[in-house]
Amino acid sequence: AQSVSQHNHHVILSEAASLELGCNYSYGGTVNLFWYVQYPGQHLQLLLKYFSGDPLVKGIKGFEAEFIKSKFSFNLRKPSVQWSDTAEYFCAVNARSGYSTLTFGKGTMLLVSP
Amino acid sequence: DSGVTQTPKHLITATGQRVTLRCSPRSGDLSVYWYQQSLDQGLQFLIQYYNGEERAKGNILERFSAQQFPDLHSELNLSSLELGDSALYFCASSLGQLSTDTQYFGPGTRLTVL
Repeated sequence: AQSVSQHNHHVILSEAASLELGCNYSYGGTVNLFWYVQYPGQHLQLLLKYFSGDPLVKGIKGFEAEFIKSKFSFNLRKPSVQWSDTAEYFCAVNARSGYSTLTFGKGTMLLVSP
Repeated sequence: DSGVTQTPKHLITATGQRVTLRCSPRSGDLSVYWYQQSLDQGLQFLIQYYNGEERAKGNILERFSAQQFPDLHSELNLSSLELGDSALYFCASSLGQLSTDTQYFGPGTRLTVL
């Protein structure tokens, strides 16, 4: 079974600061990796996903994530955050050859102050 | 708007009662997933249906059951409700059942058990 750890439960940043949210997963096989975002009062939306190929993936709204296989990590980054990035961010994983169901981390609540 | 609809938005009921949550997937999507989001457990996968058949089961209690109908909408039935069942219940849909298929989430149903 897979598991996902997001080490930061709450992050507070000022606008224009750089962001990096950590995500580590545990699974012995090949995985697909996802970052979802949940803005206040809204549904979960896919930010970006990694299946294979270039380990640096770019998503919507200027977010990117890097897959480092040796570290079992898939950290989310953004060079300069905006107040509108205030949201909860979830890292998720599933097994490439298994079911499509997702295993989520506990989430990181990001608060960006103007 | 993800195209996934869930009703009702809010549900308040008493312990021991039974409720039904409804989900309509995006047009053309054959898979439906149910997830439970609570403060202590985070986002947990409950069950998946694909084209009317159960495909995968997660941490779903025996008091909970689900089904997917011929028109592809799905219902999650929760019975003998306990205080601990209070949570946000999300439905998601995807085109198929490949691990690389993107899951689109609905707005959720917030269940409060008093």
